[in-house]
Amino acid sequence: DAGITQSPRYKITETGRQVTLMCHQTWSHSYMFWYRQDLGHGLRLIYYSAAADITDKGEVPDGYVVSRSKTENFPLTLESATRSQTSVYFCASSESAASTDTQYFGPGTRLTVL
Amino acid sequence: AQSVAQPEDQVNVAEGNPLTVKCTYSVSGNPYLFWYVQYPNRGLQFLLKYITGDNLVKGSYGFEAEFNKSQTSFHLKKPSALVSDSALYFCAGTSGGYQKVTFGIGTKLQVIP
Repeated sequence: DAGITQSPRYKITETGRQVTLMCHQTWSHSYMFWYRQDLGHGLRLIYYSAAADITDKGEVPDGYVVSRSKTENFPLTLESATRSQTSVYFCASSESAASTDTQYFGPGTRLTVL
Repeated sequence: AQSVAQPEDQVNVAEGNPLTVKCTYSVSGNPYLFWYVQYPNRGLQFLLKYITGDNLVKGSYGFEAEFNKSQTSFHLKKPSALVSDSALYFCAGTSGGYQKVTFGIGTKLQVIP
């Protein structure tokens, strides 16, 4: 039972490059989320998705693009990476939209933009 | 706008002593509150949540949390700390609707042998 996986786990890139972070879940959860974790800010929501082909912005969406063609995958793309996007990125999923639902997190991707 | 505050960056406690990690919230309507734990180089793991009912919520690994509506608090507690409890703890909350949960900035718990 793989649960929720992220790849790569570590990535170093340069300013201006395009980077895609992958997220895959095996539970068939409807909802998926992307967060970034930064010191002093905790976790901030970037984008979320209610189902395949349904996505919406979170708190800090600028500079990011998402897609969800299949329920199990939710890639996050930085179209032109900037140093301020250096962070740890977490993907999460939950079974439904209910506020009472627990979110399940992947192991994270540590991204460094030089 | 909803918010969750964790007033302590770090909490140090001796092994075997009781521990408390503090959380206060500001949400409109009925709050739904969560605690998650993050071990080094790992994702967040769910500990417990308050939805409604009993103000004392019991969760994983012997942790519990007390919901206090008058003080708008949801402090995490454990009667006897273990060295293995050392980790980063996040409080989170929402008032409903879509899963737009707001996370606190995290509190590092250090249990000293």
